[in-house]
Amino acid sequence: GQQVMQIPQYQHVQEGEDFTTYCNSSTTLSNIQWYKQRPGGHPVFLIQLVKSGEVKKQKRLTFQFGEAKKNSSLHITATQTTDVGTYFCAAGAGSYQLTFGKGTKLSVIP
Amino acid sequence: NAGVTQTPKFRILKIGQSMTLQCTQDMNHNYMYWYRQDPGMGLKLIYYSVGAGITDKGEVPNGYNVSRSTTEDFPLRLELAAPSQTSVYFCATKAPQGFSNYGYTFGSGTRLTVV
Repeated sequence: GQQVMQIPQYQHVQEGEDFTTYCNSSTTLSNIQWYKQRPGGHPVFLIQLVKSGEVKKQKRLTFQFGEAKKNSSLHITATQTTDVGTYFCAAGAGSYQLTFGKGTKLSVIP
Repeated sequence: NAGVTQTPKFRILKIGQSMTLQCTQDMNHNYMYWYRQDPGMGLKLIYYSVGAGITDKGEVPNGYNVSRSTTEDFPLRLELAAPSQTSVYFCATKAPQGFSNYGYTFGSGTRLTVV
């Protein structure tokens, strides 16, 4: 089945530093979604990318979809303690199912 | 509008016991999913449904069963619980195509421990 690799698994940053997580697939994706899960909580949908080379921004968060539609990244500028959590990418390959990466757990040191 | 409601929130089962995890949605979404989440392992799809009366296996269906008699409800049944089924279980729904938000809406989860 389809696999999605997400790196790094963990990231510890000082508050105010930037953070990036990467998502890679061996197959071409029809779309990619990003979710955030706070500690003890449930995943919450952030955004969906569909077009090759697409870039979307949500305040301090920047999402990119690769030109070949096989990779994606999430970049957070000037992290805050409210950014703490695990960020998951989820890949769609044309069906109504998503394959989730293992997530990147972000810790922010105040 | 409650979204996706899961019950119970916590449960401890003994090996060999059975239970049903409940999931109800009031969003009128056709697609519903059951995932399990183990520490550091992301989300694994157990079963999914594209509408009432239609269900299909996901990546890790062994030891589980589902039914979908209505649009609103998608219960997950565990028969003969095993320690390997200790996990956090999430139910999710998906908006149909044509809506601006294609993301899944997750319930708050059921934390299950099998001892």
